[in-house]
Amino acid sequence: GEDVEQSLFLSVREGDSSVINCTYTDSSSTYLYWYKQEPGAGLQLLTYIFSNMDMKQDQRLTVLLNKKDKHLSLRIADTQTGDSAIYFCAERPDTGRRALTFGSGTRLQVQP
Amino acid sequence: DTGVSQDPRHKITKRGQNVTFRCDPISEHNRLYWYRQTLGQGPEFLTYFQNEAQLEKSRLLSDRFSAERPKGSFSTLEIQRTEQGDSAMYLCASSPSGGGYTDTQYFGPGTRLTVL
Repeated sequence: GEDVEQSLFLSVREGDSSVINCTYTDSSSTYLYWYKQEPGAGLQLLTYIFSNMDMKQDQRLTVLLNKKDKHLSLRIADTQTGDSAIYFCAERPDTGRRALTFGSGTRLQVQP
Repeated sequence: DTGVSQDPRHKITKRGQNVTFRCDPISEHNRLYWYRQTLGQGPEFLTYFQNEAQLEKSRLLSDRFSAERPKGSFSTLEIQRTEQGDSAMYLCASSPSGGGYTDTQYFGPGTRLTVL
């Protein structure tokens, strides 16, 4: 079955880069997503990548995928105080099932 | 363009009462999902509809939980005989038909349930 793990907390200074890491266990082709959740709110989709890709860049966001180690990272360039939130990694195997499996989330704290 | 909406946003109830939540997906999205999120955890999948058909159900969806999507548009999630362990955020998501990236799920703001 699927399992997704993330580190719990990351603190950076405003203007620095943030790197949030995630590992997953599913061995099949899989879709991988990053969501952002602000306090008391729902989840905002940030970006996604399929497991046949190594990298995807979208403005300040860069997703890197190491398929061998099943390791996914989200890099946020020029981190701003508005980036403070919980970031969730999620996967969905390419098996026809639709359920997303989420990690426990990484709380990003951006200090001014 | 309106996103996924959920009603109510907050619900406080006493143990043993029944509650019902509503989700309105993004228009023309034919897939609709329910997740539950407890404090400090990521969302956990409950169930999924394609149009009006309920196609996947998690083991988390006990017999006290029932979800419907009668006309393939909005959906309701009912919890009967609520227990304190049901306290959580209930999230709804929707996605358009098709595979691959077009199946990306967009989430609503959630309904926070507190069972006293």
